[in-house]
Amino acid sequence: KNQVEQSPQSLIILEGKNCTLQCNYTVSPFSNLRWYKQDTGRGPVSLTIMTFSENTKSNGRYTATLDADTKQSSLHITASQLSDSASYICVVGPNAGNNRKLIWGLGTSLAVNP
Amino acid sequence: DGGITQSPKYLFRKEGQNVTLSCEQNLNHDAMYWYRQDPGQGLRLIYYSQIVNDFQKGDIAEGYSVSREKKESFPLTVTSAQKNPTAFYLCASTPTGGMAEAFFGQGTRLTVV
Repeated sequence: KNQVEQSPQSLIILEGKNCTLQCNYTVSPFSNLRWYKQDTGRGPVSLTIMTFSENTKSNGRYTATLDADTKQSSLHITASQLSDSASYICVVGPNAGNNRKLIWGLGTSLAVNP
Repeated sequence: DGGITQSPKYLFRKEGQNVTLSCEQNLNHDAMYWYRQDPGQGLRLIYYSQIVNDFQKGDIAEGYSVSREKKESFPLTVTSAQKNPTAFYLCASTPTGGMAEAFFGQGTRLTVV
């Protein structure tokens, strides 16, 4: 069964600290992996999209890594800010250009405290 | 500003009534999608459309209907046949071809009272 599992389920950190969120997937075939940020009560916003041949991709203070062999990805947030408080969702696409088959994780809820 | 707009943000419905959620985009995207988000669950696809006048059922289409008469618009009707309609509904759009990034609206929270 195609699944995307994220850990931890929730995380609390102090402003200015770094953190790393994990994503393990059992999706086959595999084409791409995406990380989204979702503020409470809002729609998700794309952070990164990586294909199976990419190992890392950055978007400002966000850096995603991908190990297609172990089927693991991580999202590293550097120098956290209060505005980073949100849910971070890992999404796997089994087919290139086929968004209707995206498999969504449940997300990691991050709280950044002052 | 280019973007995707959902309205209303909050919607209340009495049991037995149909209700229509609006989704409009000015990104010139061909494909549009409706998702449902419930606590403790990942996003689930309700319907999608890759071209005007064509749409396909997603994973949880029962109790929902859509239309795609214009490229910019993809309204979702939640019918009285939907057994558990209270949820957060998200509309998204993408260009076709390749590995397209999905752009989401701000969502509509539907509550059945």
